[in-house]
Amino acid sequence: DAGVTQSPTHLIKTRGQHVTLRCSPISGHKSVSWYQQVLGQGPQFIFQYYEKEERGRGNFPDRFSARQFPNYSSELNVNALLLGDSALYLCASSPIATDTQYFGPGTRLTVL
Amino acid sequence: QKEVEQNSGPLSVPEGAIASLNCTYSDRGSQSFFWYRQYSGKSPELIMFIYSNGDKEDGRFTAQLNKASQYVSLLIRDSQPSDSATYLCAVNVAAGNKLTFGGGTRVLVKP
Repeated sequence: DAGVTQSPTHLIKTRGQHVTLRCSPISGHKSVSWYQQVLGQGPQFIFQYYEKEERGRGNFPDRFSARQFPNYSSELNVNALLLGDSALYLCASSPIATDTQYFGPGTRLTVL
Repeated sequence: QKEVEQNSGPLSVPEGAIASLNCTYSDRGSQSFFWYRQYSGKSPELIMFIYSNGDKEDGRFTAQLNKASQYVSLLIRDSQPSDSATYLCAVNVAAGNKLTFGGGTRVLVKP
């Protein structure tokens, strides 16, 4: 079975721009979570969605938003990019909201 | 105090030896505990999960959980150079919602 997929793999943006990151969960998984990992640190929780509803939100500004589609794929949107948004953005899926999470390959975002 | 703490390392281990990694957490309501391995430039890969006090073994890996002392550990037996990576401890406080990660311990296995 295919694992979690994310696109794009790498992305370069400039300050003030907007970015959309995409994630497709493992087949049969209904929950998607997003994490931000800055170099040298552990991942930080951004959002969790289950059955298209937001189930959790981390301590991130309103510039960050997400949604989940009927096929359980998800998008993470970041507006008004700052240099500090440069990071590896990870998507994780789980069968249900309470289950073990499996990570995708991530999207490396660089903000110049 | 950080919610989940790990020694950043590097932990240098001779090939064939046992690597011992520790993780402490602050929230006594924590219910499930995970160890992920992350190679440089890659995403985290699940190694083990543990929910109950005691030991859980899977191949060369053993996870140990002590809720009273609020720590979880990972033992890697017969360490191989391919085990050289950063090991992330993650804790799930409430059912679902989010994983809280430590900063990771870098492990170097020397031939």
